Amino acid sequence: GQNIDQPTEMTATEGAIVQINCTYQTSGFNGLFWYQQHAGEAPTFLSYNVLDGLEEKGRFSSFLSRSKGYSYLLLKELQMKDSASYLCAVMDSNYQLIWGAGTKLIIKP
Amino acid sequence: NAGVTQTPKFRVLKTGQSMTLLCAQDMNHEYMYWYRQDPGMGLRLIHYSVGEGTTAKGEVPDGYNVSRLKKQNFLLGLESAAPSQTSVYFCASIQGQAVTGELFFGEGSRLTVL
Repeated sequence: GQNIDQPTEMTATEGAIVQINCTYQTSGFNGLFWYQQHAGEAPTFLSYNVLDGLEEKGRFSSFLSRSKGYSYLLLKELQMKDSASYLCAVMDSNYQLIWGAGTKLIIKP
Repeated sequence: NAGVTQTPKFRVLKTGQSMTLLCAQDMNHEYMYWYRQDPGMGLRLIHYSVGEGTTAKGEVPDGYNVSRLKKQNFLLGLESAAPSQTSVYFCASIQGQAVTGELFFGEGSRLTVL
């Protein structure tokens, strides 16, 4: 079966750095997505990785290793508004998008 | 540019009633998806479509049907609603085989089945 694993919950301090990991086992691979979702809202796009390596976008970076079935999202200079759920998703060879259960990130002052 | 629009945004049904959720996108996207999201859970794929006239089952298709008669529209139907189908439903679309990035979401449709 297809599976995506993320930690359920993480806590970090305002101004710090946090890394959210995602491991996956899917039937083929056509890219990995990271989304942010605030409670009661639709997910919003953060990043897309299809090649190995690090993609940096402002305070957010995403890393992919296809051989290890592994990705992480790195958030720097954490702000209170970063408190949200972070969703990892993989597009498989049939163009299905499979989602992890999400990581709830709690930012403390 | 409206992006992805879902209608209705809220609906209350009685058990056994039927309804259709409409997802419309104006970005000429090939791929469209219907998800449900329950409290504390991730997005679960109901059905998806990789082009006009094509549909495929996701991980939780039972109790739902879909149609993609026009490229811009993806309809999700509940023939006989059950309380277990109370959820928030999200539609999403993305450009076709040359996937380059963002998956666009609608705002969500909150369905309650009594």
